[in-house]
Amino acid sequence: KAGVTQTPRYLIKTRGQQVTLSCSPISGHRSVSWYQQTPGQGLQFLFEYFSETQRNKGNFPGRFSGRQFSNSRSEMNVSTLELGDSALYLCASSLSARESYGYTFGSGTRLTVV
Amino acid sequence: GESVGLHLPTLSVQEGDNSIINCAYSNSASDYFIWYKQESGKGPQFIIDIRSNMDKRQGQRVTVLLNKTVKHLSLQIAATQPGDSAVYFCAEIPGGSNYKLTFGKGTLLTVNP
Repeated sequence: KAGVTQTPRYLIKTRGQQVTLSCSPISGHRSVSWYQQTPGQGLQFLFEYFSETQRNKGNFPGRFSGRQFSNSRSEMNVSTLELGDSALYLCASSLSARESYGYTFGSGTRLTVV
Repeated sequence: GESVGLHLPTLSVQEGDNSIINCAYSNSASDYFIWYKQESGKGPQFIIDIRSNMDKRQGQRVTVLLNKTVKHLSLQIAATQPGDSAVYFCAEIPGGSNYKLTFGKGTLLTVNP
């Protein structure tokens, strides 16, 4: 059974550009969440989608957005990149976001903004 | 400006010893807790979970204890192995319709052979 797949694994972007990251959840999982991990702030929640609807959003500026498609794949977009957006972006999937076996994370996309 | 790295608590143990990693959670309304292990270059890996109606849950070589009175979680790893070296995070989910994990700062576990 394939795990959570995130693409690309690494990205280097310039300040002011925008970036789109992709997440394919485990087959059958309908909930996809996104997290940002930095040395300074740790793991922080960005947003969660279920059946193409955003159910919860973290405290990030509007430059951070996401969406989920009918096949449960999700993308997140960051516009007008800033140096502080450099981070590991993690995607997690679960059947319905409150399953007893917890969320399964992908390996992440390492974004570097220069 | 310079970003300050997150100061992680560290725990260093000898191979074969038992390890105990502690976590204080913040929200008394949290009703579901998960422990994750994160190795360098990888995403967090699920270890074990526990619901707030339980005090203890055991897995293979791991046990999670929950003390709701003092909002404290612990992860016990029996017979710690070098492969257990990683950062360990506890995460909580509040009850109700809040679908986000709130992570603790993490603990760096180093197992010495």
